Amino acid sequence: AQKVTQAQTEISVVEKEDVTLDCVYETRDTTYYLFWYKQPPSGELVFLIRRNSFDEQNEISGRYSWNFQKSTSSFNFTITASQVVDSAVYFCALSEINNDMRFGAGTRLTVKP
Amino acid sequence: GAGVSQSPSNKVTEKGKDVELRCDPISGHTALYWYRQRLGQGLEFLIYFQGNSAPDKSGLPSDRFSAERTGESVSTLTIQRTQQEDSAVYLCASSPPDRITGELFFGEGSRLTVL
Repeated sequence: AQKVTQAQTEISVVEKEDVTLDCVYETRDTTYYLFWYKQPPSGELVFLIRRNSFDEQNEISGRYSWNFQKSTSSFNFTITASQVVDSAVYFCALSEINNDMRFGAGTRLTVKP
Repeated sequence: GAGVSQSPSNKVTEKGKDVELRCDPISGHTALYWYRQRLGQGLEFLIYFQGNSAPDKSGLPSDRFSAERTGESVSTLTIQRTQQEDSAVYLCASSPPDRITGELFFGEGSRLTVL
């Protein structure tokens, strides 16, 4: 079965710092999908991004950017100029074709003012 | 409502009792997932339903846990003879037939406390 590893349990930064959240995955499939979700203190999971395994182009959305590298099986997430509102738990997830979605253990990000 | 609905939002029970947690997915969503999230922990996969296919039960932690789904609608997660370690938030999510998009839509969860 697929596996997702988020080695960083907790990260604390000061506002305006850049921060990168790591995600490493394992899968035997050639077709798969990677995701990042945000879980703010309110608890509701919020979808951030989806990438498929055939598209290694990095993506930028405002202060968020994602670096997908199949060679290292990584899908890292960078927040530029972090803000207090970015404080949340961030989950990386992997879904194989016709398979369920598995999540990493999450990284708790705290952004201090 | 338009989103995934879960009930009850909070449940306190005594050790040894059975509990049922309900999930109403978004209408038209063929896939339904249950996850468990212990306090301060990640999402632990429990079970996955996809249309009329046999469910993937590989994440259920013990035979005290079971889940059913009626067609492509409501799902019920049942925990028998609850234990204190079952205390967690149980999250339900659904996704549309086009799994290419892959996005899961989560409910607000059912918080279970076993005394």
